[in-house]
Amino acid sequence: NAGVIQTPRHKVTGKGQEATLWCEPISGHSAVFWYRQTIVQGLEFLTYFRNQAPIDDSGMPKERFSAQMPNQSHSTLKIQSTQPQDSAVYLCASSSGGQDTQYFGPGTRLLVL
Amino acid sequence: GDSVTQTEGQVALSEEDFLTIHCNYSASGYPALFWYVQYPGEGPQFLFRASRDKEKGSSRGFEATYNKEATSFHLQKASVQESDSAVYYCALSDRNTDKVVFGTGTRLQVSP
Repeated sequence: NAGVIQTPRHKVTGKGQEATLWCEPISGHSAVFWYRQTIVQGLEFLTYFRNQAPIDDSGMPKERFSAQMPNQSHSTLKIQSTQPQDSAVYLCASSSGGQDTQYFGPGTRLLVL
Repeated sequence: GDSVTQTEGQVALSEEDFLTIHCNYSASGYPALFWYVQYPGEGPQFLFRASRDKEKGSSRGFEATYNKEATSFHLQKASVQESDSAVYYCALSDRNTDKVVFGTGTRLQVSP
């Protein structure tokens, strides 16, 4: 089991550019979660899917951020017109749902210059 | 809403010291409780969990006991090592949602 896979591991973008982050959950897991981690804010929930359907996006900034899960093997987080304050580590996690344990990927470190 | 409170932001110990990191929670239901550990450059790793009152979870010498009355799940280790230096997160998952609520994390630094 390769665990949760996230690509790229590091991404540098210029202000105003678009960034797309990829996540491949653990095979068989039905729930996929996205988090953002910074020194100041810590670990922040963004959004999650269950069986590919969006369930809760209460943590997503309403503008510029979107997430999709087109099939059971991957999810994407897209940030349009990136800003320096979007610089963070973006973490993806998956679980079997309910109160099952979430397993995290290594994260994508995004730096917006 | 549900919440998790970790009172120590940072803990500095020497090798072989006893560790306690305090975790208290607030939840409307009967949550499952978790400890995660995060090393630099990696995502949080599941350490262990407990799902019912008085259940003890443990892994790698770390342990915590679910205390419903005190709404606590304190992490302890009898003798820490330098390799235990990391950030530790307490978390809960309510029965009514797939979501996990994380505490703010405690950075443990162990000196040789």
